Amino acid sequence: DAKTTQPTSMDCAEGRAANLPCNHSTISGNEYVYWYRQIHSQGPQYIIHGLKNNETNEMASLIITEDRKSSTLILPHATLRDTAVYYCIVSLAANAGKSTFGDGTTLTVKP
Amino acid sequence: SAVISQKPSRDICQRGTSLTIQCQVDSQVTMMFWYRQQPGQSLTLIATANQGSEATYESGFVIDKFPISRPNLTFSTLTVSNMSPEDSSIYLCSVDKGQGGEQYFGPGTRLTVT
Repeated sequence: DAKTTQPTSMDCAEGRAANLPCNHSTISGNEYVYWYRQIHSQGPQYIIHGLKNNETNEMASLIITEDRKSSTLILPHATLRDTAVYYCIVSLAANAGKSTFGDGTTLTVKP
Repeated sequence: SAVISQKPSRDICQRGTSLTIQCQVDSQVTMMFWYRQQPGQSLTLIATANQGSEATYESGFVIDKFPISRPNLTFSTLTVSNMSPEDSSIYLCSVDKGQGGEQYFGPGTRLTVT
């Protein structure tokens, strides 16, 4: 799996968009970008994933650059409940269950 | 998606004893995965469990310490054997049920070894 780099921590004001970056410069053509989050003391929660195109679901949007070397997870209207550690993972779909979790980004949403 | 439950949710155990953690999925899955999350750290994959075959362990994890059973397509157990305080962690099971390989995790088992 390709290695990812994320900022250690970020703050965001409640109600504003949270933009979480992820660098994955060694990503290969068939590897997907997956995002998960872990709220304190809970199991990780799947958020979204994508291959090349931008993706949106009820939780977030995923923007992948054209060269696929970086991506941004966007939480459009952050709430206090979005405070969590966010993990960006790059993997082949067939190997996604054996993901390598890095340290992630601790997002703190402030009132 | 998948709904995953784990038992127990937490336990406090004495060193030298063993604990078996159960993971139940609401639908049939081919592979189940066991992770460990030590205090203040990220998740580390312990092993992959396929139904009908022996589990595949990652580097640093051995079957004698973490025996795994996978008796059917919806259930797996992880045993933490001969525990020491260093085994104090959250243990999580997951499945890659999604069409795109996305994982779904159980709520975790918080183990404290005294």
